[in-house]
Amino acid sequence: AQKVTQAQTEISVVEKEDVTLDCVYETRDTTYYLFWYKQPPSGELVFLIRRNSFDEQNEISGRYSWNFQKSTSSFNFTITASQVVDSAVYFCALISGYSTLTFGKGTMLLVSP
Amino acid sequence: GAVVSQHPSRVICKSGTSVKIECRSLDFQATTMFWYRQFPKQSLMLMATSNEGSKATYEQGVEKDKFLINHASLTLSTLTVTSAHPEDSSFYICSAKQSSSGANVLTFGAGSRLTVL
Repeated sequence: AQKVTQAQTEISVVEKEDVTLDCVYETRDTTYYLFWYKQPPSGELVFLIRRNSFDEQNEISGRYSWNFQKSTSSFNFTITASQVVDSAVYFCALISGYSTLTFGKGTMLLVSP
Repeated sequence: GAVVSQHPSRVICKSGTSVKIECRSLDFQATTMFWYRQFPKQSLMLMATSNEGSKATYEQGVEKDKFLINHASLTLSTLTVTSAHPEDSSFYICSAKQSSSGANVLTFGAGSRLTVL
């Protein structure tokens, strides 16, 4: 069985603040993939990143960065200098072995001006 | 990049009618498509896995006679909500796995919001 936990249900920040969204996962497989998706109010899922279990290198893409720590089974997502357009629900997801994609419950981020 | 088109994006229907939602992979072949359901302020829950040319695999608790899935071609899967009731009102999202990809690459459609009156 696999599981994704996003303990933060909702986060509110003021524009330009940095914010970190937590994601903790569980799987018995040694090969797996982790994802982050953004879901704005319009509803579509926007793919942000995919990381495989053998690549623990942290990644930075513009204001976004991801910290993958296998030792703590975490794949946290940081937005630097947040903007109002970052307001959305963010989902962490996991796929491993022959399983299907499992989503966390999501974290709603509200960035106010 | 890979694009998945989902249609309609919004649909309102009367209780008791059936509604069909289409999921198309526009520029790639998808032997496997997935259908998710999302209630307000909740996560996406997998309903079923749709395999081209064979019967869909439904998740536990999902009524296969209620949610008919057809995956007749490598680019199209349909979800039909039969005899819809207000409790079926939800956001339905499909995703498609590229046949040529072995690395679990899924592309999501934009979703279909169903409202049953």
